[in-house]
Amino acid sequence: DQQVKQNSPSLSVQEGRISILNCDYTNSMFDYFLWYKKYPAEGPTFLISISSIKDKNEDGRFTVFLNKSAKHLSLHIVPSQPGDSAVYFCAAGYSQGGSEKLVFGKGTKLTVNP
Amino acid sequence: GAGVSQTPSNKVTEKGKYVELRCDPISGHTALYWYRQSLGQGPEFLIYFQGTGAADDSGLPNDRFFAVRPEGSVSTLKIQRTERGDSAMYLCASSPPDGEQYFGPGTRLTVT
Repeated sequence: DQQVKQNSPSLSVQEGRISILNCDYTNSMFDYFLWYKKYPAEGPTFLISISSIKDKNEDGRFTVFLNKSAKHLSLHIVPSQPGDSAVYFCAAGYSQGGSEKLVFGKGTKLTVNP
Repeated sequence: GAGVSQTPSNKVTEKGKYVELRCDPISGHTALYWYRQSLGQGPEFLIYFQGTGAADDSGLPNDRFFAVRPEGSVSTLKIQRTERGDSAMYLCASSPPDGEQYFGPGTRLTVT
């Protein structure tokens, strides 16, 4: 049973436009959410996070929105750049019995075309 | 400063053999995590260390998998009697207290 779902395996956008990556989750116990970016042959790199007490967090070109009632979060990248082309993983976490393990989605491959 | 390092970067082994995968976390990071990523999937949690002790090993798939972190720094993931289904990318991450997880480049394990 997948607790974190990224239903779009891929997304293609033009340079300069907005990229919107979506993520849904099922477990209401999750209390923070993260986005990781992964290039081939590298480990995932932390991008941005949001706590469940917020509905928006912004860092430069990256903004994450959280809709707790819909159990949905999204990552907006604007303007998109070719260097943003990578696989983006949504992850959710909770402190349960002292563990801070993350549950990841399957990823969305973003391609930004020049 | 140095990031999380993992060795070897690639490991090919025969079915039934024993393998060890090593993780060097970022200096000062108290928490260490192991994840496994199969093709087309996101990373899946295996085990979490806080200091030297395994705080959560609920993700280990079976008793062929074991991990240690004897001095609270370097960790080794050990897989006995490897099976072809164990082939995957094994990722290690570390984090400071109340901080995000930083991942290493992973070890690609192939069991033939």
